Amino acid sequence: KNEVEQSPQNLTAQEGEFITINCSYSVGISALHWLQQHPGGGIVSLFMLSSGKKKHGRLIATINIQEKHSSLHITASHPRDSAVYICAVGQGAQKLVFGQGTRLTINP
Amino acid sequence: DAGVIQSPRHEVTEMGQEVTLRCKPISGHDYLFWYRQTMMRGLELLIYFNNNVPIDDSGMPEDRFSAKMPNASFSTLKIQPSEPRDSAVYFCASSSAGNYGYTFGSGTRLTVV
Repeated sequence: KNEVEQSPQNLTAQEGEFITINCSYSVGISALHWLQQHPGGGIVSLFMLSSGKKKHGRLIATINIQEKHSSLHITASHPRDSAVYICAVGQGAQKLVFGQGTRLTINP
Repeated sequence: DAGVIQSPRHEVTEMGQEVTLRCKPISGHDYLFWYRQTMMRGLELLIYFNNNVPIDDSGMPEDRFSAKMPNASFSTLKIQPSEPRDSAVYFCASSSAGNYGYTFGSGTRLTVV
């Protein structure tokens, strides 16, 4: 079993829909990261969480430390949100362990 | 700050050749990480440094891979000799102690033919 599990692996939605991507982890962490990667592109850090909730524009990330679970929400989704979203947990001296990623496609 | 700078962006080389990937971390960051991304295995940690000292190289595939960080502003990942299975995107990232924030470079897409 992977230390970091994401669901779903693939998600297709229509423009404007509310999107939720889930991440569960089984190890102790110092922080949880949500990353975004466009096709053929680099990796961008969206959020770093150690507790509670963070919001940036249409993106919201939450974490429940007791349940070892985090969610990434996108409100009013847009085709430019199409990307792979990766959950990663930081352990100890900050090295990251990655989920397998969720490929999101938003159709116009 | 220009962010984490990697070079080259793309590298195509023949099997058996030496390949050197370069990374300049963000100034002031004291952690530097090398990751590899493949379709089959996703993102994997190869090695990371703290204050220029290698801390964990357990992800380095084999002796063909080596990494150095001679100073706080430069690191290299070398593959000698390269093999087709080394084809992947190699990312460098940096962060600072106590901050946990991460910045990734744009990656080097390596193709070994």
